[in-house]
Amino acid sequence: DAGVTQSPTHLIKTRGQHVTLRCSPISGHKSVSWYQQVLGQGPQFIFQYYEKEERGRGNFPDRFSARQFPNYSSELNVNALLLGDSALYLCASSPGTLNQPQHFGDGTRLSIL
Amino acid sequence: QKEVEQDPGPLSVPEGAIVSLNCTYSNSAFQYFMWYRQYSRKGPELLMYTYSSGNKEDGRFTAQVDKSSKYISLFIRDSQPSDSATYLCAMSSNDMRFGAGTRLTVKP
Repeated sequence: DAGVTQSPTHLIKTRGQHVTLRCSPISGHKSVSWYQQVLGQGPQFIFQYYEKEERGRGNFPDRFSARQFPNYSSELNVNALLLGDSALYLCASSPGTLNQPQHFGDGTRLSIL
Repeated sequence: QKEVEQDPGPLSVPEGAIVSLNCTYSNSAFQYFMWYRQYSRKGPELLMYTYSSGNKEDGRFTAQVDKSSKYISLFIRDSQPSDSATYLCAMSSNDMRFGAGTRLTVKP
């Protein structure tokens, strides 16, 4: 069975640009969560979506937004990119809510120049 | 003080050793506890998922949760070079919090 898939795998942007990252959950999973992982640190929670509604939000600025589609795939959008946004962006899916075991994709590595 | 504290290591052990990894936390609202393994340039892989205090065993891995002390542990028996990775503890209530990860190297 296919796991969580994320695209693209790598991305290079410049400050001020906008980026869209994509995630397809494990088949049958209805919840998608997004995390930011800076080198040397653990993932930080950004958003959770369940049944196309936002169910949780971490401490990130409004430049970060996300949505979930009817097929449960998801997009993470980041506007006005800053150098500090350089990180590995991870998507995780679970059958239901945040407290169920989450399964991660391999992430999108975003570099801001 | 961070909500979840995890010694970043690095930790180096010989093959066959028992490895002990630990996290402490401050938020008593955390109810679900997880351990993930992350290889370089890969996403975290779920190893253990527990809810209540006590022990849970899965093969060479044992997870312990002590809610009264706000302390969780992961033990790896008969460690193998393939266990070399970063180990992340995680816990959740309304959102998920991760430790910083402990980098483990198992030497042949």
